[in-house]
Amino acid sequence: AQSVTQLDSQVPVFEEAPVELRCNYSSSVSVYLFWYVQYPNQGLQLLLKYLSGSTLVESINGFEAEFNKSQTSFHLRKPSVHISDTAEYFCAVSEDSGAGSYQLTFGKGTKLSVIP
Amino acid sequence: GAVVSQHPSRVICKSGTSVKIECRSLDFQATTMFWYRQFPKKSLMLMATSNEGSKATYEQGVEKDKFLINHASLTLSTLTVTSAHPEDSSFYICSARTDRATDTQYFGPGTRLTVL
Repeated sequence: AQSVTQLDSQVPVFEEAPVELRCNYSSSVSVYLFWYVQYPNQGLQLLLKYLSGSTLVESINGFEAEFNKSQTSFHLRKPSVHISDTAEYFCAVSEDSGAGSYQLTFGKGTKLSVIP
Repeated sequence: GAVVSQHPSRVICKSGTSVKIECRSLDFQATTMFWYRQFPKKSLMLMATSNEGSKATYEQGVEKDKFLINHASLTLSTLTVTSAHPEDSSFYICSARTDRATDTQYFGPGTRLTVL
């Protein structure tokens, strides 16, 4: 069975500073990896995903994540954060749990707070 | 991109009543929809997986007679919380999957249920 660990529950960072949100996973098979963002009182929005191919994936708003198979990690980074990046970020992993169901397992989330 | 809607966004009901939440995929056909529950400051907990035209698959610990799921068409799934109690108060989020090969789930905005 898969599991996802987000070690940091809260990450405060000053505006225009870089940030890294950590995500580690465990799985016995090949996985797909995702980062979702949740703004207050809203549902989840897909930020970026790794399915196959290049291990470095990027989002349209400057975030990137790198799949590291040997370290079973999928950390999310941004070189310069904005106030609007303040939100909760969830890392998720998907594997075939049987009959092609591919359920998502989420980490507990990391609340990113950008300080002016 | 793929859009998923939920209705209502907020609902307040008295203890003992039933509440129906709708989840619609607006611009794509979703063969699989998922229902999650999110507690305050917690991650998403998968409640059930719903495939169009078949019975939902519930996760361990989720009462299928209390949380009735119907996936009547490729664009609509409903969750009915029967005989709701205050402990059922939560944020319920649905997601819909487009193409199993890409394994991307698109999430609805969520429904805040408050049971008095």
